[in-house]
Amino acid sequence: AQSVTQLDSQVPVFEEAPVELRCNYSSSVSVYLFWYVQYPNQGLQLLLKYLSGSTLVKGINGFEAEFNKSQTSFHLRKPSVHISDTAEYFCAVSGSYIPTFGRGTSLIVHP
Amino acid sequence: NAGVMQNPRHLVRRRGQEARLRCSPMKGHSHVYWYRQLPEEGLKFMVYLQKENIIDESGMPKERFSAEFPKEGPSILRIQQVVRGDSAAYFCASSLGRGQGPRGELFFGEGSRLTVL
Repeated sequence: AQSVTQLDSQVPVFEEAPVELRCNYSSSVSVYLFWYVQYPNQGLQLLLKYLSGSTLVKGINGFEAEFNKSQTSFHLRKPSVHISDTAEYFCAVSGSYIPTFGRGTSLIVHP
Repeated sequence: NAGVMQNPRHLVRRRGQEARLRCSPMKGHSHVYWYRQLPEEGLKFMVYLQKENIIDESGMPKERFSAEFPKEGPSILRIQQVVRGDSAAYFCASSLGRGQGPRGELFFGEGSRLTVL
C-alpha cells in the first residue's frame, strides 16, 4: 500500500519570497516520486520527478525537490515565486503501477 | 495536437441520465488511467486500462460506472443513471507503462467536468 500526505492545503506567500510545499509518503516498496502543477480548469503538468540517483531534483519553472528517504519526504521548493506560480500542486508516489496523489496544496502568490 | 485528448470538456446531465466521457491517449501510449477530482479531495484513482483489458478497477464504484479501452478508438468512462454526487472533474492520463507500471510520468488531459442537475 502507498499513500501521500500534503501537510498544507493552502500556502499564501508574497511575490519574490521563497516557498516550500511539503509532501510525505509511505510505501512498502521502492518508490518513484512526482510533483505536478494544475492551473485553473486545466489538467496536471509534470514539474519534476525522482526515479533514482541524486536526491536533489530540478524541474521546470525554477522548482526543485529533495528526496529524503529517512524522513520519507519529497518537499518542493522555489527560492523566489512569481504571481504566475499561483496554482494547485500535487505530490504523487508510484511504487506499484497505480500512482497515488496527495490532496493538493494551493499556492497563492500575492503581489 | 499529440497530447491526451478528452471530450467533452463540459457535460451537463440530469439525474438518471447517462454520461459518456472519452479519452484518446498520447500517440504511442497504450496505458490509460482515469481519476476523479472533487474539491479539496485531490485526485482519486478509478481505473487502469490497457488496450482491450481492464488491469485494475479497484477505485471504481461497484454500480453504475464502467470503463473500456477498445482495440480501436478512445477509452470511454461511462456513468449510468447519474446522481448529483457524480458531479466532478474526471481526468484521463496515459503512459508508456513499461514493466510493472509508469516509471515515467503520466500525461494528463484537460479533464471533463460533469455537472448533474
